[in-house]
Amino acid sequence: DAGITQSPRHKVTETGTPVTLRCHQTENHRYMYWYRQDPGHGLRLIHYSYGVKDTDKGEVSDGYSVSRSKTEDFLLTLESATSSQTSVYFCAISPGLGYTGELFFGEGSRLTVL
Amino acid sequence: DQQVKQNSPSLSVQEGRISILNCDYTNSMFDYFLWYKKYPAEGPTFLISISSIKDKNEDGRFTVFLNKSAKHLSLHIVPSQPGDSAVYFCAATVTGTASKLTFGTGTRLQVTL
Repeated sequence: DAGITQSPRHKVTETGTPVTLRCHQTENHRYMYWYRQDPGHGLRLIHYSYGVKDTDKGEVSDGYSVSRSKTEDFLLTLESATSSQTSVYFCAISPGLGYTGELFFGEGSRLTVL
Repeated sequence: DQQVKQNSPSLSVQEGRISILNCDYTNSMFDYFLWYKKYPAEGPTFLISISSIKDKNEDGRFTVFLNKSAKHLSLHIVPSQPGDSAVYFCAATVTGTASKLTFGTGTRLQVTL
């Protein structure tokens, strides 16, 4: 199994509070991604990173920010959580450009915003 | 705008029979396609992929077919086993775009005894 750890695995929070989800990898892969999974939508890309301090937006980036200060860690922050951000969040990793293949996913973080 | 579509939310198949999961896409730039399998409370895991230069790729019980003119791909599982019961996601990407995958909405496969 790819060495990907997401924390916390479950979180319940109130509307308007900040939330940070962490993804930690031990594979030294260059690319890291945050996806959210919602019924009827599949998995949608929020943000991704192609290196330390290099990030870019995905298709559903509004309301989210990310940071990557080390190769192994990719943080997803909801500055002010809303009920529409209740979802299951998955981190994924990939060796990077020139690699045509699958992403390796973490086990997910279930976030409930009340 | 859903660029990758899985129009069947669920599918039930008897053990030993063939399971056929379908996927359609609209973006003609996609040139690499993947299938993922997901069990409850776990992350998706890669199953099989196909490049647009091929029309078929086989791996054991799993075969993916690609029809570029119809913008359609399908996953065949033969024979189906109870352990195949899961949600299957089709995904597509453009080679060289940082492996950003666009996923379909998923098909829940139930293999019955």
